[in-house]
Amino acid sequence: SQQGEEDPQALSIQEGENATMNCSYKTSINNLQWYRQNSGRGLVHLILIRSNEREKHSGRLRVTLDTSKKSSSLLITASRAADTASYFCATDRDDKIIFGKGTRLHILP
Amino acid sequence: EPEVTQTPSHQVTQMGQEVILRCVPISNHLYFYWYRQILGQKVEFLVSFYNNEISEKSEIFDDQFSVERPDGSNFTLKIRSTKLEDSAMYFCASSDQGAFSGNTIYFGEGSWLTVV
Repeated sequence: SQQGEEDPQALSIQEGENATMNCSYKTSINNLQWYRQNSGRGLVHLILIRSNEREKHSGRLRVTLDTSKKSSSLLITASRAADTASYFCATDRDDKIIFGKGTRLHILP
Repeated sequence: EPEVTQTPSHQVTQMGQEVILRCVPISNHLYFYWYRQILGQKVEFLVSFYNNEISEKSEIFDDQFSVERPDGSNFTLKIRSTKLEDSAMYFCASSDQGAFSGNTIYFGEGSWLTVV
């Protein structure tokens, strides 16, 4: 399976702190993506990193990829209350993407 | 920004009833998907659809499920005889070039299905 598995399952941090979520996967990938899901809402694409990339930035988001360890991390800097959500990594296989179980991030005021 | 729209946002149905969930993908997209998420669990792939036929389906997508693109804009998921375990959020998604090589897949807001 190419499923990503995130850890931690849940994370609570103070507003303004940085949040780091990790994802591990089992087989070779072409790309790894991160999505956000607010409670009861749809999935929003955040960022994609290709297998030949090691790090990518988008605003307050920083994604790293270590293909030797089959792992990725998502860092959200200077967290805000609006960042409270579940975050999923997803790997592509053929014409679909497969999601991990997600990390529930809670930003405390 | 173009978006995938889904209806209904929430449906309650009796066990054994047929349900049709509707989706309007982004207009120039050619690849369509259904995923589901049981409450508190991960998002699971159900089916992908391209060129008016199913490209791939998961083990979850058994004979009770079917998909259709009845016209140029809608993409539907039908569950013929709902079971309690079909209660979940169902997400429709679309993409212009498919998930190949990391092309973005855009998701709708989902349809909550509650089977009682």
